Amino acid sequence: RKEVEQDPGPFNVPEGATVAFNCTYSNSASQSFFWYRQDCRKEPKLLMSVYSSGNEDGRFTAQLNRASQYISLLIRDSKLSDSATYLCVVNRDTGRRALTFGSGTRLQVQP
Amino acid sequence: ETGVTQTPRHLVMGMTNKKSLKCEQHLGHNAMYWYKQSAKKPLELMFVYNFKEQTENNSVPSRFSPECPNSSHLFLHLHTLQPEDSALYLCASSQDPPGTVTGNTIYFGEGSWLTVV
Repeated sequence: RKEVEQDPGPFNVPEGATVAFNCTYSNSASQSFFWYRQDCRKEPKLLMSVYSSGNEDGRFTAQLNRASQYISLLIRDSKLSDSATYLCVVNRDTGRRALTFGSGTRLQVQP
Repeated sequence: ETGVTQTPRHLVMGMTNKKSLKCEQHLGHNAMYWYKQSAKKPLELMFVYNFKEQTENNSVPSRFSPECPNSSHLFLHLHTLQPEDSALYLCASSQDPPGTVTGNTIYFGEGSWLTVV
């Protein structure tokens, strides 16, 4: 089983739609969670951290479910500029000492 | 604009060449990383440096040789690569050494696109 798994998509949604991505992780010792965004042929950029109680940043909401070992990202009122690949990232703060990335979920927002 | 700069942005090299990728971070961070991103694969961690010392080598072939002369600079020396090594090589940095602070995030450079012919 992969350490971090994501549905590769693509998710094709119209502008204004609400879309949600899930990501599962295999190691229950994982402590830190993030969503990164990667545009085509660009570097990944931090979108938001994911906190235990869930957190929101404008149109983006991230949630963590430790019992089921998954995190989610909800995007409301999708914009064309949201089209990108969204990477789920986890970090064990003990043992292996760097971030582990999922393969990413591709989102295409259509006019 | 990025606090992590990589050069060259694009590199084409033959299998017998020796070349180097350079990374510089202007963020005052203490940890630096090399990641590899191949088509349709997740980012693969290659090396981690913490305060100039290598703390992780993720079973990377010896044809890739990292060098970290100080906390702000990181090199990846390339020698006798194979075509399957063609990929985007991403340098990154973080404030704290990996594994010490919950929520420690990393920042990437724009990457070096490498093609081995």
